[in-house]
Amino acid sequence: KQEVTQIPAALSVPEGENLVLNCSFTDSAIYNLQWFRQDPGKGLTSLLLIQSSQREQTSGRLNASLDKSSGRSTLYIAASQPGDSATYLCAVTSNTGKLIFGQGTTLQVKP
Amino acid sequence: ETGVTQSPTHLIKTRGQQVTLRCSSQSGHNTVSWYQQALGQGPQFIFQYYREEENGRGNFPPRFSGLQFPNYSSELNVNALELDDSALYLCASSLESGTPLHFGNGTRLTVT
Repeated sequence: KQEVTQIPAALSVPEGENLVLNCSFTDSAIYNLQWFRQDPGKGLTSLLLIQSSQREQTSGRLNASLDKSSGRSTLYIAASQPGDSATYLCAVTSNTGKLIFGQGTTLQVKP
Repeated sequence: ETGVTQSPTHLIKTRGQQVTLRCSSQSGHNTVSWYQQALGQGPQFIFQYYREEENGRGNFPPRFSGLQFPNYSSELNVNALELDDSALYLCASSLESGTPLHFGNGTRLTVT
């Protein structure tokens, strides 16, 4: 059974700091991996999607990596801003299209 | 191009009642998935519909049921509501299974 774990559960950093969020999964047979952002009481916004054959994806200040063999992904946020404060969710997609989510990392960036 | 819309945004029900949640898929998307997100947790997969047929289900009891209509909009029905059903219910659509999901803002259900 696929399990997704995110560490840390919560993180507080000063503005401008670079940071890394971690995601691990137990079954390497994934279709892809996605990182989402969720603001309080809102739905999910897809940030980056990495196909199983890819190693990383970049969008602006965000960079996500994928190491299928070790069952790990990281989301790197450069030069963090208060507007980056949100919960970040990692999810792996099974070959049937089902997403399995981690519990998320709640990030607070202090001005 | 309109995104995924869900209604209602908030709902309060009493234990034992039934509820129907609605979702309009993003234009052109024929696959819809439903997720339950309890407070402080990641979303849990309920089921997925592709062209009006259920083609995947998570670990939820039969009192959670769904429909997808010819225009690809969808409903989630929950019978015999329990207190633990209180959660944010998220709908997501995609062009087909395995492609990026687009989520709605969810329906916040409170069962008292």
